Amino acid sequence: EPEVTQTPSHQVTQMGQEVILRCVPISNHLYFYWYRQILGQKVEFLVSFYNNEISEKSEIFDDQFSVERPDGSNFTLKIRSTKLEDSAMYFCASKGLAVRETQYFGPGTRLLVL
Amino acid sequence: AQSVTQPDIHITVSEGASLELRCNYSYGATPYLFWYVQSPGQGLQLLLKYFSGDTLVQGIKGFEAEFKRSQSSFNLRKPSVHWSDAAEYFCAVGAYNTGTASKLTFGTGTRLQVTL
Repeated sequence: EPEVTQTPSHQVTQMGQEVILRCVPISNHLYFYWYRQILGQKVEFLVSFYNNEISEKSEIFDDQFSVERPDGSNFTLKIRSTKLEDSAMYFCASKGLAVRETQYFGPGTRLLVL
Repeated sequence: AQSVTQPDIHITVSEGASLELRCNYSYGATPYLFWYVQSPGQGLQLLLKYFSGDTLVQGIKGFEAEFKRSQSSFNLRKPSVHWSDAAEYFCAVGAYNTGTASKLTFGTGTRLQVTL
């Protein structure tokens, strides 16, 4: 069964450093998402992406964040200057074109900012 | 704005007992509703979803959920819980409009513990 993959599974970085989280969505999907889950809290929407542009973003997704689909398969989330409060599990998800299709989630990247 | 409430933070049941996890949503139009399960250190796996039609939906692993519009609820049930069902369960609501990517809004989750 096709699945969303994410790399790395874990990343530790120093505050102020840039990180790039990578995702490979399901191959025929056209909608891509990033969510995050701070430890012990609920999953929160960050951004959605379609047709090479952001469709919607949350208040969390400020100027420190950016997303990109650099090629036909990868979907990345960049955090330019990490803060302690960016420590969280970051989930990528993808969805097909049909309105009623399900969002499929990757296994997540656990980011720890020191 | 859409929102989801899961009133039970933590539930403990005995193996073989029945289970019901509560979920209430708030959304101005017809909601699309989901239950996801997250095992420790793992990602989110879809258990079941409701878009329209029959209000009782069947999912994987023997789970089912019933959509009740009058109560704005989408409770998850299982008649007989197995020890492997211990996990965190998230209810989510989606606003799927034609032509939009549409985010999911999650509840705070219910942690299920199963005793032997």
